[in-house]
Amino acid sequence: AQSVTQLDSQVPVFEEAPVELRCNYSSSVSVYLFWYVQYPNQGLQLLLKYLSGSTLVESINGFEAEFNKSQTSFHLRKPSVHISDTAEYFCAVTLSSNTGKLIFGQGTTLQVKP
Amino acid sequence: DADVTQTPRNRITKTGKRIMLECSQTKGHDRMYWYRQDPGLGLRLIYYSFDVKDINKGEISDGYSVSRQAQAKFSLSLESAIPNQTALYFCATSASSYNSPLHFGNGTRLTVT
Repeated sequence: AQSVTQLDSQVPVFEEAPVELRCNYSSSVSVYLFWYVQYPNQGLQLLLKYLSGSTLVESINGFEAEFNKSQTSFHLRKPSVHISDTAEYFCAVTLSSNTGKLIFGQGTTLQVKP
Repeated sequence: DADVTQTPRNRITKTGKRIMLECSQTKGHDRMYWYRQDPGLGLRLIYYSFDVKDINKGEISDGYSVSRQAQAKFSLSLESAIPNQTALYFCATSASSYNSPLHFGNGTRLTVT
């Protein structure tokens, strides 16, 4: 069975600093990978996804993630964070066989300080 | 209006009571899901439905049941609530293709005393 591990429960960072949120997955078959973001008192929203092709995927608000098959990782990065990026971030995986079940990591709270 | 609507937003109930959480969607998606969120555990899948006649257990279905009344409605029931079911519950929908993202409601915060 597949699983997802987010290595940091909280990541504090100052505004305009770079950030990396780490995600590792475990699966014996091909997977699709996702990052979701949850702002306070809201549901989750898709941030970006990797299905196939280029291993570097980008979101519209400056985040990017790189799929590394050999290290089974899908780390999320942003070169310069804003206060508005403060949220909880979830890495998720689903099998490429289209089971429809998305397995989430434990979540990482990004705290951007002024 | 929200595409995925959950009611109620907050609920406090007592141990042993039956409670139903409701979800409706206007996105026209076939697939619907119920997740619960607990601090430090992320989201865990309770039940999912690929269409009105297809309902499947997720990883933590014990103590829960669901009903898919229509394509747009998917309700979650706790037959006899217990305190460790205190959590934030999310309904989500998706289209049927493999790369379709999940669309979440704003959640129901349930407290069982």
